[in-house]
Amino acid sequence: EAGVAQSPRYKIIEKRQSVAFWCNPISGHATLYWYQQILGQGPKLLIQFQNNGVVDDSQLPKDRFSAERLKGVDSTLKIQPAKLEDSAVYLCASSSTPGQAARMMNTEAFFGQGTRLTVV
Amino acid sequence: AQTVTQSQPEMSVQEAETVTLSCTYDTSENNYYLFWYKQPPSRQMILVIRQEAYKQQNATENRFSVNFQKAAKSFSLKISDSQLGDTAMYFCAFMKTRNMLTFGGGTRLMVKP
Repeated sequence: EAGVAQSPRYKIIEKRQSVAFWCNPISGHATLYWYQQILGQGPKLLIQFQNNGVVDDSQLPKDRFSAERLKGVDSTLKIQPAKLEDSAVYLCASSSTPGQAARMMNTEAFFGQGTRLTVV
Repeated sequence: AQTVTQSQPEMSVQEAETVTLSCTYDTSENNYYLFWYKQPPSRQMILVIRQEAYKQQNATENRFSVNFQKAAKSFSLKISDSQLGDTAMYFCAFMKTRNMLTFGGGTRLMVKP
């Protein structure tokens, strides 16, 4: 099966500009994640969608970051305006729908190759 | 909130030897999953091994095995017969209900020839 697709792979922008990243999850996966990974650190969750609803966006800097998942499939993450500290790899991941009982939750998230953003 | 801690920023091991990476986590949940992901320089996160919290038996996948201590909230990864291709960042991760997935800060593993 096709994996998680992300584009672009690399992006260089000047501070205060805007940028958008795109993610196409694995077909049928209801859960979609956006992570920010700063060099040398672990991924930090920005936002998690279940279908087209938001499960968690508590760490999303909402004054400059926004994300949407129209029709519960593809997703876009936007930064406007960008700051130097936004330089990072942005990872998208997806997993299938959890069951009603906690024991039936899906057990694996599949990741895309990420987008490396450099803000200069 | 869940936290995942990896206390070893860097580790090195000689080829063919065994190395253990540490991970501790904090949660009030009873049902959850734990994972070890590998991230090579290509940035692609690859699942290495997973453990269901309700299973007492430690998971194994070929050269990779875990030591899961639920009461101590500890989840270490043992890599046997280390290979040069094992060189990568390794991340411990925790998944609870609603598929919420949290990562540790990572351990950089270098396998030396």
